[in-house]
Amino acid sequence: DAGITQSPRYKITETGRQVTLMCHQTWSHSYMFWYRQDLGHGLRLIYYSAAADITDKGEVPDGYVVSRSKTENFPLTLESATRSQTSVYFCASSEYVYEQYFGPGTRLTVT
Amino acid sequence: GENVEQHPSTLSVQEGDSAVIKCTYSDSASNYFPWYKQELGKGPQLIIDIRSNVGEKKDQRIAVTLNKTAKHFSLHITETQPEDSAVYFCAASRRYGGATNKLIFGTGTLLAVQP
Repeated sequence: DAGITQSPRYKITETGRQVTLMCHQTWSHSYMFWYRQDLGHGLRLIYYSAAADITDKGEVPDGYVVSRSKTENFPLTLESATRSQTSVYFCASSEYVYEQYFGPGTRLTVT
Repeated sequence: GENVEQHPSTLSVQEGDSAVIKCTYSDSASNYFPWYKQELGKGPQLIIDIRSNVGEKKDQRIAVTLNKTAKHFSLHITETQPEDSAVYFCAASRRYGGATNKLIFGTGTLLAVQP
């Protein structure tokens, strides 16, 4: 029972490159979320999805793109990475409105 | 929009003592308040939550209290153990009809339990 997984766990990329972070959940939860975690800011919502093909912006969406063609996958793409996007990224899912379950995170460094 | 403040940012206690972490929120319409525990190198894990129609909730050594008038809520850990050492996050949100729950997180508290 994998639950929710993220890949890669660690990524180093250069400024200007496109990078995609993957998120996969095995629970068939309707809702999926992407957060970034930075010191002094806690966790901030980037994008979320209520179902396949339904996505919406969170607090800090600029520079990110998401898609959700299948219920179980919710990839996050940085179209042209910047140093300010160096962070730890967490994916989460939930079936009902309240409880969210987080993945193990992806540590992204943009040089 | 909602703003959540969390204090203290670091907390050191002796094993067996109690620990209290406090959060305040700004949106009086917020109705859901979860607490997450994050261990080093892992994702946050939901440990307890409370909804606005309840003033207190307990689960073994962990309890959460909510004061809607003052717009603050607190996490209480009794008889702390070394494995309680982690970063704790509070969050708040409100549900709009059938819309999903968008959490606004506090900045976290690093709890260190000294053996």
